[in-house]
Amino acid sequence: QKEVEQNSGPLSVPEGAIASLNCTYSDRVSQSFFWYRQYSGKSPELIMSIYSNGDKEDGRFTAQLNKASQYVSLLIRDSQPSDSATYLCAAYNFNKFYFGSGTKLNVKP
Amino acid sequence: GAGVSQSPSNKVTEKGKDVELRCDPISGHTALYWYRQRLGQGLEFLIYFQGNSAPDKSGLPSDRFSAERTGESVSTLTIQRTQQEDSAVYLCASSSTPSGTEGNGYTFGSGTRLTVV
Repeated sequence: QKEVEQNSGPLSVPEGAIASLNCTYSDRVSQSFFWYRQYSGKSPELIMSIYSNGDKEDGRFTAQLNKASQYVSLLIRDSQPSDSATYLCAAYNFNKFYFGSGTKLNVKP
Repeated sequence: GAGVSQSPSNKVTEKGKDVELRCDPISGHTALYWYRQRLGQGLEFLIYFQGNSAPDKSGLPSDRFSAERTGESVSTLTIQRTQQEDSAVYLCASSSTPSGTEGNGYTFGSGTRLTVV
């Protein structure tokens, strides 16, 4: 079993809609969680991190963490075509990061 | 430096040759990671360095792959007798060691695109 799992997508949403990206993790990775965005041909860049159960908001982005159900999600409000990218979920545990394989998001104008 | 620096940015090599990839992490970052990303795929963990501790080499795909890091500075990833399946982008990332608080994560370099012909 992989430590972090994501649906590869692609997830297609119309411009202005809410995009919902999900990630599940195993018991072995349970401390801090991160969302990275990777544009095609570019390296990943950190969007948000979350450590505590509940929601964390930053502009159009909201990260949600539910440790009991072992999932973390990223909501993107008012999606823009420029949000089209692959979103990587990462979990941190005992000095090591585990990455999911990423979900490709397409925002259609 | 201000960011994670990798060189070369692109490398084309003939099958069977050795290549060396370099990563210069952010100053003060004790943790350094190497990942491989094949076209259209996710990140594949290769190796992890943390300060002066023994590296975690559990992700290296074969004994043709090796990496070194001197202290908390530059790291080199060496691939011997390259094969076509080694063609990928090799990403380096560094981080300060998270202490369980939010906000820390990887900072990635721009990667080295390796093509084995």
